[in-house]
Amino acid sequence: EVQLVESGGGLVQPGGSLRLSCAASGLTFSSYWMSWVRQAPGKGLEWVANVNQGGSGKYYVGSVNGRFTISRDNAMNSLYLQMNSLRAEDTAVYYCARVRIDSGSDHNYFDSWGQGALVTVSS
Amino acid sequence: DIQMTQSPSTLSASVGDRVTITCRASQSISSWLAWYQQKPGKAPKLLIYKASSLESGVPLRFSGSGSGTEFTLTISSLQPDDFATYYCQQYNTYSRTFGQGTKVEIK
Repeated sequence: EVQLVESGGGLVQPGGSLRLSCAASGLTFSSYWMSWVRQAPGKGLEWVANVNQGGSGKYYVGSVNGRFTISRDNAMNSLYLQMNSLRAEDTAVYYCARVRIDSGSDHNYFDSWGQGALVTVSS
Repeated sequence: DIQMTQSPSTLSASVGDRVTITCRASQSISSWLAWYQQKPGKAPKLLIYKASSLESGVPLRFSGSGSGTEFTLTISSLQPDDFATYYCQQYNTYSRTFGQGTKVEIK
């Protein structure tokens, strides 16, 4: 069974930094693209970032580009999100998600999710 | 970015009802659409991918259809466990976007 467990959330002041971690088990972690998806309180879902299997290919939603960095450590079966210059609008539950690629294409979606980590940006 | 619009935003239904949720894309996404179910305080769960493919382990009462810009999620006979919020998500482009969600409530 795939298990994704996020940690590192908390309260941070505007302009501050935070690093989220996601520990993966029950899968061959190095074989999968991985993502971060967030959900502001009472709101819908927003994809944040993707990283490819080796960690060299990274993609971000425009609102976090240049402030957030996704990375991974395949030896540790772990995914990370370094968040800098945090803003109030970054307040959300952040989910770690496994990416599944549609066979025969490079189109992909999320097939397993962690329980989420709450990040609150407030003074 | 491709905008995804779901309707209705809230749906009141009874156990046993047939329920249909619509998702419209601002431009064609072929069949690159997924549906997720989310219960309060829980992570989303994948139900449908590629518009109509049922994820393993998901009950057969769930089905998806559509292509291009208009898609539907149907629950053939609503069960107590199905009261939740449902999201569509396009994955035609790398900048994946979700609909705003449809909350299915007990009537």
